[in-house]
Amino acid sequence: AQSVTQLDSQVPVFEEAPVELRCNYSSSVSVYLFWYVQYPNQGLQLLLKYLSGSTLVESINGFEAEFNKSQTSFHLRKPSVHISDTAEYFCALNTGFQKLVFGTGTRLLVSP
Amino acid sequence: DTAVSQTPKYLVTQMGNDKSIKCEQNLGHDTMYWYKQDSKKFLKIMFSYNNKELIINETVPNRFSPKSPDKAHLNLHINSLELGDSAVYFCASSPRDSLRGYTFGSGTRLTVV
Repeated sequence: AQSVTQLDSQVPVFEEAPVELRCNYSSSVSVYLFWYVQYPNQGLQLLLKYLSGSTLVESINGFEAEFNKSQTSFHLRKPSVHISDTAEYFCALNTGFQKLVFGTGTRLLVSP
Repeated sequence: DTAVSQTPKYLVTQMGNDKSIKCEQNLGHDTMYWYKQDSKKFLKIMFSYNNKELIINETVPNRFSPKSPDKAHLNLHINSLELGDSAVYFCASSPRDSLRGYTFGSGTRLTVV
């Protein structure tokens, strides 16, 4: 069975500090990995995705994630966070059968 | 223009009632989904439809019945509502190649009292 684990339910960080949100997956087939962001009272928005090729993928707002097959991880990082990055972040796995399996989410809390 | 729109945004109802949530997408996507997000923010797929055909039905009580009149609409009807049905329900859509990513609606917060 495919699954996604996000070990940290909440990550508090000060503005302009770096942050890493952890994501580990389990799958016996090819994996396609995604990070989604959910701002308060909104739906989920796609942040970035890994399908194939370069293991480092970037989003337009400064986040990046690295696919590590040996460690079965897809951690999300940002070198300097802003207050506006406060949100819930979900790691998700698509096994190619039109089904996204989500992790339990990590709440990023950025304070001044 | 809203890509995936759900109505209503909020729904408060009593136990035992029957209610529906509507979803429409104007992206021309072939596949639509219903996800349930519980109070701990956990997201779990309920159903998916591909061009009006049911593809995924994930061990959801048969009180929940999805209906897709055309590929741009996927409605969710719930009979005999229970307290445990309280959650946020998200509709989403994707192209046939779902690896291109899903587009989610803004959610319907259902509260059963």
